[in-house]
Amino acid sequence: AQTVTQSQPEMSVQEAETVTLSCTYDTSESDYYLFWYKQPPSRQMILVIRQEAYKQQNATENRFSVNFQKAAKSFSLKISDSQLGDAAMYFCAYKRGAQKLVFGQGTRLTINP
Amino acid sequence: GAGVSQSPSNKVTEKGKDVELRCDPISGHTALYWYRQSLGQGLEFLIYFQGNSAPDKSGLPSDRFSAERTGGSVSTLTIQRTQQEDSAVYLCASSLLGTGKTEAFFGQGTRLTVV
Repeated sequence: AQTVTQSQPEMSVQEAETVTLSCTYDTSESDYYLFWYKQPPSRQMILVIRQEAYKQQNATENRFSVNFQKAAKSFSLKISDSQLGDAAMYFCAYKRGAQKLVFGQGTRLTINP
Repeated sequence: GAGVSQSPSNKVTEKGKDVELRCDPISGHTALYWYRQSLGQGLEFLIYFQGNSAPDKSGLPSDRFSAERTGGSVSTLTIQRTQQEDSAVYLCASSLLGTGKTEAFFGQGTRLTVV
């Protein structure tokens, strides 16, 4: 079964600095999708960024970018110029085909002003 | 509204009672997921509906839990004889397709408290 591991339960960063959240996953497949979701205190899960495994180019969405290392099964999220509104739980997730969406345990990110 | 709607937002029930949690997905979305999130924890998969396929029930923790999706739209998660360990936030999500090509949109969840 596919598993997703986030080894950092908590992270903190100074406002305007850069932070990287780690994620590793286990799969024997070659075609799949990876996601980072953000969950602020409101509980609303919001998609931050998505990566297709067959695309070598790392996905980027404004201040958010990923470092996708397919061979190493690593999928880290980099947040540049951190803002107070970035404070939230961040979840890494994996999906292959029509199978279920599998989540990691999450990383709580704190932004220090 | 255009988003995923869950009701009730909060539910307090007595141990041993049955509860029903409702999820209204975005219209036209073929995939629907239920997850459970205990306080400060990750998302525990419960069940996944995809079109007319048999649902993936592999995450249901016990036979006290069941879910159905009527007419490919609204879904109800039922917990029978609730226990205190059932207390959690129950999240529903839907996506247009079952693949990762389309984004999964989440509702705001139902916070269940068993006393």
